[in-house]
Amino acid sequence: DSGVTQTPKHLITATGQRVTLRCSPRSGDLSVYWYQQSLDQGLQFLIQYYNGEERAKGNILERFSAQQFPDLHSELNLSSLELGDSALYFCASSGRSGGAGETQYFGPGTRLLVL
Amino acid sequence: AQSVTQLDSHVSVSEGTPVLLRCNYSSSYSPSLFWYVQHPNKGLQLLLKYTSAATLVKGINGFEAEFKKSETSFHLTKPSAHMSDAAEYFCAVSVGGAQKLVFGQGTRLTINP
Repeated sequence: DSGVTQTPKHLITATGQRVTLRCSPRSGDLSVYWYQQSLDQGLQFLIQYYNGEERAKGNILERFSAQQFPDLHSELNLSSLELGDSALYFCASSGRSGGAGETQYFGPGTRLLVL
Repeated sequence: AQSVTQLDSHVSVSEGTPVLLRCNYSSSYSPSLFWYVQHPNKGLQLLLKYTSAATLVKGINGFEAEFKKSETSFHLTKPSAHMSDAAEYFCAVSVGGAQKLVFGQGTRLTINP
């Protein structure tokens, strides 16, 4: 158990809908990262937050947004969902610096299926 | 830009024999390199990481990896495979000020009894 929790574990929804994925980092970790794992794209970095502020952005679609709250949990919002958004979404957290080389601990993921 | 290439999409070995999973990286700077393992329907678990200390890195469950700058490689090895090692393995790189991990496409390891 990494100490990172994600809810829900599974999510089934329809095209055009909006969903929110939630992540609670390990106790004491200030950085939260979101990754998408799909069969065609593999594991891709979406976005990083550090202590409430956006720090780095990857291949995140404009339809997707995220935030980190004062209690350090994070939410990833996916809107106007398309079939191609079906994937496993991972949250990871790391310690105090949020810098390169710091170990990222991954949650169990949320499996999203868009029908 | 940094990138990672895992040279084998699938590796199959017999239980008790050595495991070699190959990873090459591309980076303009001194990289931090990681190996993660993903068991079916599970999240990613860190096996080991290299961050410019010793070039031979020991990880969990008997795995180790050697950083070879001249070959831009970070191959993962284990002397004797166990059935529980069957999983997907990912090599990743993190470089400089960028905190994101760039992952390879993964290598599926199958262990034959």
